[in-house]
Amino acid sequence: EAQVTQNPRYLITVTGKKLTVTCSQNMNHEYMSWYRQDPGLGLRQIYYSMNVEVTDKGDVPEGYKVSRKEKRNFPLILESPSPNQTSLYFCASGAGANVLTFGAGSRLTVL
Amino acid sequence: QKEVEQDPGPLSVPEGAIVSLNCTYSNSAFQYFMWYRQYSRKGPELLMYTYSSGNKEDGRFTAQVDKSSKYISLFIRDSQPSDSATYLCAMSVDNYGQNFVFGPGTRLSVLP
Repeated sequence: EAQVTQNPRYLITVTGKKLTVTCSQNMNHEYMSWYRQDPGLGLRQIYYSMNVEVTDKGDVPEGYKVSRKEKRNFPLILESPSPNQTSLYFCASGAGANVLTFGAGSRLTVL
Repeated sequence: QKEVEQDPGPLSVPEGAIVSLNCTYSNSAFQYFMWYRQYSRKGPELLMYTYSSGNKEDGRFTAQVDKSSKYISLFIRDSQPSDSATYLCAMSVDNYGQNFVFGPGTRLSVLP
């Protein structure tokens, strides 16, 4: 089944404790991206990657890092999480940037 | 003014009604227009994808783009309870990830 898999789906952590949310796709897509979704603010793009060679910041990259060492994986790294990073996170992939397949989401709470 | 505006709803309609969902935008450079549907506790899924102006139909769904008015619409005919979800418009300047933005979403409830 064609899909984008995110892990963990739910995570509660404490301020400052580094964490990684993994994202993997099995559709051989070049494009991958990360979003956060907050009530009243909608989906906002954190980072995107056109291919293994190219990664760029989205609208809200502060406090996040990404890595695209291979086509199928695009992990989101929070080096020192803070409470304002409590959110619902989505990874997506696509043959291009507009036609996206989303993962099921990862709900992160930072205490 | 936000770059993309969308009435958050909730919009409640009876089963079988025609639903009209709309977005307005300010960036005249947008060329690609998408509608995504998001069920509760799920990731968004692509419903419609259009380039430039005009209409596109897919089953009960019709997407309409009016670039002169900076206005896009999604029409749902013969609405069903299974259409109850949040509908997100999205738009971009190109297909390379730059200037890609989602609207805040409209929550739709179709009552049996």
